[in-house]
Amino acid sequence: DAEITQSPRHKITETGRQVTLACHQTWNHNNMFWYRQDLGHGLRLIHYSYGVHDTNKGEVSDGYSVSRSNTEDLPLTLESAASSQTSVYFCASSLSLTDTQYFGPGTRLTVL
Amino acid sequence: AQTVTQSQPEMSVQEAETVTLSCTYDTSENNYYLFWYKQPPSRQMILVIRQEAYKQQNATENRFSVNFQKAAKSFSLKISDSQLGDTAMYFCAFMNILTGGGNKLTFGTGTQLKVEL
Repeated sequence: DAEITQSPRHKITETGRQVTLACHQTWNHNNMFWYRQDLGHGLRLIHYSYGVHDTNKGEVSDGYSVSRSNTEDLPLTLESAASSQTSVYFCASSLSLTDTQYFGPGTRLTVL
Repeated sequence: AQTVTQSQPEMSVQEAETVTLSCTYDTSENNYYLFWYKQPPSRQMILVIRQEAYKQQNATENRFSVNFQKAAKSFSLKISDSQLGDTAMYFCAFMNILTGGGNKLTFGTGTQLKVEL
C-alpha cells in the first residue's frame, strides 16, 4: 500500500548540532509539507513544496531548511539545533491544491 | 491571514452520548475547505471529515457530522454514539485553495475529548 513514512521516530540531539528528519511518500503526491506541533499552538507550517526543486517558507521557517530533489522525499534540516526546536514534527502530502493532506506518523525531537 | 479558534481545550462525554466540538475561523476568502483531524494517543493525524465551502450541505461520515455556518464562520463537529475509541485530540483546520499559495493548512489549538464509561 502507498504510504508516508518519517524517520527517525524519536531523536535526541544537542544544541548546535545539525539534524535532518526524513519524510518519504509513495503516493506520487506533488505537494509535501512539514509542520511542528507544540502545546497551545496546534500544528504550524514550517516549509512546503509543490514539486521537484520547489520549496517555500511557512509560518515558522527560521532555523529550518528543506530541499526537494525528487517527488518522494522532502527532508527537513535544522542547521544548528536550538532548545526551542524541541517539538513533534509531522510531514504531510497531497496530490493537488484541492486535495486532502495525509500525515506521516511524526518524529519527536528533543534538543538538549 | 487566516485564524482558527477552538475555544474548548477539553471536553468529556459518556459512552453512547452525543458531543459537539466548536470551531470558528476568520478569513476574507470565499473558496476554501475545512477539516477535522483526530489525533489519538498514538500521535497519528487522522482525517475525520472534510467540508468544501461552496457546498451548502453539511458533510457526514458515519457517526461524525458537521454544522457548517459560512456566514457565521463556524464549523462544529458532532460525534454521535460516542465510543471509547473516539478519545483523542481533535483539530479543526482551514485550507485556502488559491493557486500559487493554496493547499496550506491552518490549525486550531485542538480540543482534547475524553469518552468515559
